[in-house]
Formats: sequence, C-alpha cells, structure tokens
Amino acid sequence: TQLLEQSPQFLSIQEGENLTVYCNSSSVFSSLQWYRQEPGEGPVLLVTVVTGGEVKKLKRLTFQFGDARKDSSLHITAAQPGDTGLYLCAGAPRRGSSYKLIFGSGTRLLVRP
Amino acid sequence: NAGVTQTPKFQVLKTGQSMTLQCAQDMNHEYMSWYRQDPGMGLRLIHYSVGAGITDQGEVPNGYNVSRSTTEDFPLRLLSAAPSQTSVYFCASSYRSGTGRATGELFFGEGSRLTVL
Repeated sequence: TQLLEQSPQFLSIQEGENLTVYCNSSSVFSSLQWYRQEPGEGPVLLVTVVTGGEVKKLKRLTFQFGDARKDSSLHITAAQPGDTGLYLCAGAPRRGSSYKLIFGSGTRLLVRP
Repeated sequence: NAGVTQTPKFQVLKTGQSMTLQCAQDMNHEYMSWYRQDPGMGLRLIHYSVGAGITDQGEVPNGYNVSRSTTEDFPLRLLSAAPSQTSVYFCASSYRSGTGRATGELFFGEGSRLTVL
C-alpha cells in the first residue's frame, strides 16, 4: 500500500513568516498534487507536479517534486492570514490514475495577523 | 456554475439504518470518486468509476455500494450504518484529456457530514 506522510501536522505562525510543508513516501508516484481545503468546503487544487525535480511557483507558494518522485514540498514565503487552511498532498500511483489519488493526512496551517 | 453537488450536507443515522448520499456533476466528467475524510487521516478512497456502468473498489469499500447508471450521477449507499462510518464524505470528478488519460485535477463537492449513533 502506498502511503504519503505529511509534516508537520499542525503549524501556527505569525503573518510574514516563511514555512515549508513536507510530503514524503517510500513509493514512486507518477504525479503529485497539492490541494488546499477550507472549513466546510472540498479541497481545491493548487498545483500538479509531474517531472522529478520540477519546481512550480504560484505567487508566494513554491512547490517542488523530488528527483526520485517520492517526495514533495510546499514553501510559502511571507505567509498571510488568507493562507490559513488545510494543505493536502496527493499522489497518483500510475500515469493516468489521478481519479484515485492517495492523499496525505494534511497539514493544518494557521497564520496569525 | 454548479460543478459537483452533494446532498444531503448533514445527516444523522442510527446504527443499522441505510441511506444514500447523492452526488451529481454537470461538467460531463468521465471519472467520479467517493472519499471519506477523518481527522488526522486525510482522504481515503471508497469507490470510483471510470465511466457510466463501470465502478471499482478503492481503499476502504466495505459497507458501501455504488452504481453509475449515468455520467452525471454517482450515489453512495450505506447498507447498514455503523458508528465507524461517522465521517465527512466527499464526491469528486475529473475528466479525460486529449491523451485519453485522466487529467489529474479532482473537482470536489462541498461534502456530506454523516453521524452514526
């Protein structure tokens, strides 16, 4: 069974600080996605990374896929209260299997004003 | 834009009762999935479908049935509810790209919160 472990589980920081969330596995994934979920809503896709070593930037968010496609990280620069939410990584076991993603347990981020 | 619509949003059942969680999407997506979300465990796949008439089991299928008679609808049935099925349930859809494979983006509904007493 493929597993994705996220760390930390919970992060509380002050506005303006930087942070990194990690998503690790012993298995290889064909692609990895990051979602953000707000209370009472479903997750919303932030980014998909496909190639080992790939780096994608979305404003203040930087996503990286590990060279071996077993891990990923999400770095937020100068966090803002609007970044508060649950961040989930999700991996596709095989190419074209993204309809049955494997999700990590999530990182709950609180950015204090 | 409706997207993925789940009903009901909240439900309380007694142990042994049955019920159906409804899911409908208006985006003509081929793929649909049901996940459950429990504290500290992320989302776990219950059942999925790659098209009308085709369903398969995910990671935690026991106690649940699904069917896909149309592209739009993918109901999840709880046969005999148990307290262990207390959870938030999410339906999701995704579409096939021009390469014939799933594109990778899941579109989620807002969730159905189920409590089994």
